[in-house]
Amino acid sequence: EAGVAQSPRYKIIEKRQSVAFWCNPISGHATLYWYQQILGQGPKLLIQFQNNGVVDDSQLPKDRFSAERLKGVDSTLKIQPAKLEDSAVYLCASSLVAGVYTDTQYFGPGTRLTVL
Amino acid sequence: AQSVTQPDIHITVSEGASLELRCNYSYGATPYLFWYVQSPGQGLQLLLKYFSGDTLVQGIKGFEAEFKRSQSSFNLRKPSVHWSDAAEYFCAVAPRSGTYKYIFGTGTRLKVLA
Repeated sequence: EAGVAQSPRYKIIEKRQSVAFWCNPISGHATLYWYQQILGQGPKLLIQFQNNGVVDDSQLPKDRFSAERLKGVDSTLKIQPAKLEDSAVYLCASSLVAGVYTDTQYFGPGTRLTVL
Repeated sequence: AQSVTQPDIHITVSEGASLELRCNYSYGATPYLFWYVQSPGQGLQLLLKYFSGDTLVQGIKGFEAEFKRSQSSFNLRKPSVHWSDAAEYFCAVAPRSGTYKYIFGTGTRLKVLA
């Protein structure tokens, strides 16, 4: 079974530039999550999708971050414009059944973003 | 406020030695509890989880964790560490109701000496 795929793996940009990350979850997984992991910290949930609808985006900085999950499969996370403090690893995860607490989240390898 | 504390940022053990990684949580009610491992360049992998029942939980790769309600702790243990266990370990909690949202600790980086 293929895991969660993310691209690119690394990205370096200047502040105020735009960047986009892509995630392809495990086939058939209804729920998709984007996390931000700043160096030395644990992952923080940015947004959660159930199929193609947003379940929770309370910690997403909506003035600069946006995310979409068209057709309920793959997803993109965009930052526009980027700030220095956005330097982090962006993790995508998926789970099979939406809204079930006992369901396991499977994580992708992440995209490491460096903002100069 | 809800929080997860992993008091040890770094731990170094010799190969073959036992291991215990600490995790304490602050929550209104007993949450669901998880341990994840993150190897360099890889995503997080679930080691084990506690929902209810037996407070000693067995996981993959020979890991186990014990839930202690009185201490609000969920410590991870392994009787004999292998060099391949070197990684970063994250404790996480999720509420039993409401928004299904993980809260992660800051992680413990494990170094294994040959």
